Parts: sequence; C-alpha cells; structure tokens
Amino acid sequence: EAGVAQSPRYKIIEKRQSVAFWCNPISGHATLYWYQQILGQGPKLLIQFQNNGVVDDSQLPKDRFSAERLKGVDSTLKIQPAKLEDSAVYLCASSLGRGDSYNEQFFGPGTRLTVL
Amino acid sequence: AQSVTQLDSHVSVSEGTPVLLRCNYSSSYSPSLFWYVQHPNKGLQLLLKYTSAATLVKGINGFEAEFKKSETSFHLTKPSAHMSDAAEYFCAVSGRDSSYKLIFGSGTRLLVRP
Repeated sequence: EAGVAQSPRYKIIEKRQSVAFWCNPISGHATLYWYQQILGQGPKLLIQFQNNGVVDDSQLPKDRFSAERLKGVDSTLKIQPAKLEDSAVYLCASSLGRGDSYNEQFFGPGTRLTVL
Repeated sequence: AQSVTQLDSHVSVSEGTPVLLRCNYSSSYSPSLFWYVQHPNKGLQLLLKYTSAATLVKGINGFEAEFKKSETSFHLTKPSAHMSDAAEYFCAVSGRDSSYKLIFGSGTRLLVRP
C-alpha cells in the first residue's frame, strides 16, 4: 500500500514570497490533515478536511495561509506572503475517517520550509 | 480542552537496557491516546494506540504502553533498547469532539548509547 506522498521535500524562499505544498493521501482515506511542526515542538494541526469539506481550520492563519482539497483527494497548502516564523516542517496526514480506525493517522515525510 | 505533557525532553539509555518515556494527558472526554516515532527527516510512524479497550497496549518493535486513568498517564516502555530506537517520540491525545483531531506533546528525544 502506497503511503502519503508530499512534495517538495525541501523549499527555501525569502520572506514575503509565496510557496505551495502538495499532498496525495492514501487511497480511500476520507480525512486529510495539514500540520505545522516547528523545530523542537510537536506537530500542530492547521486544517482538517473530510472529503473536500473543511472540518477544522481554527488554527490556520487565514490572513496568509490557505488550503484546498479539490475532488476530495489531493490537497495543496499555500502561504502568501511567507514570514520568518513560518520556517517549519509541514506534515500531511490522512485517515480512513470511519470505523475503528477513524482517527488513526498516517503521515507523509513532510516538507521542510526555510524562510530567509 | 485536551492536552499532553511529555515529562522528559531527552532520555538517554544504554543499548539493552529498559526504556521509559513518560506522558501525562488531560481530556474532558474518554480519550484515545497514541504514541508516534519520528526518525530524522522522516514522517511520524504510529507505534501504538489506546482506544478504551485493554489498558495495556502492545505496539510495533517491542514497545508497549499502559493507560492509567487514575494517574492520567500513558507511559511508553520497551524492555531492551536497540540502537535503531534512537529517535523522537511523540505522545498524542484525541477526544471525541467534532474533528477527532490529535493534540501532540512536545516530544522526547531518545538517545541510545552503545
């Protein structure tokens, strides 16, 4: 079974530039999550999708961050404009969203963003 | 509100000795609890989970954890550390609000000495 795919793996940009990350979840997984992991901290949920609808985006800085999940499969996360404090690893995860494993999340390798 | 506290930011053990990584949780709901491992430049991998069944949970790679409601703890243990266990470990809690989202602790870095 293929895992969660993310690209790019690494990205370096200057502040005020924009950047986009892509995630392809495990086939059949209805729920998709984007997390931000700042160095030395645990992951923090930014946004959660159930199919192509948003379930929770309470921690998403909506003035600069946006995310979409068209057709309920792939997702993109965008930052525009980036700030220095956005330097972090951005993790995508997916789960079945139903049954006994409803919230067992599988993580991708992450995208490491450096903002200079 | 839910939260997780990982009591040690770093733990160092010798290869072949027991591992104990401590986690305390706070939850208004009957929680689901998870332990994840993260190797350098890799994503998080699920080690084990507790979802209100048996309080002693066995996971992959010889790890296990015991849910103790009276102590609000979910400590991770392994009888004998291996060099390949060196990594960052995260405890997480999920309640039963609308999103079932995971709340992670700040992590414990496990160092295994030869």
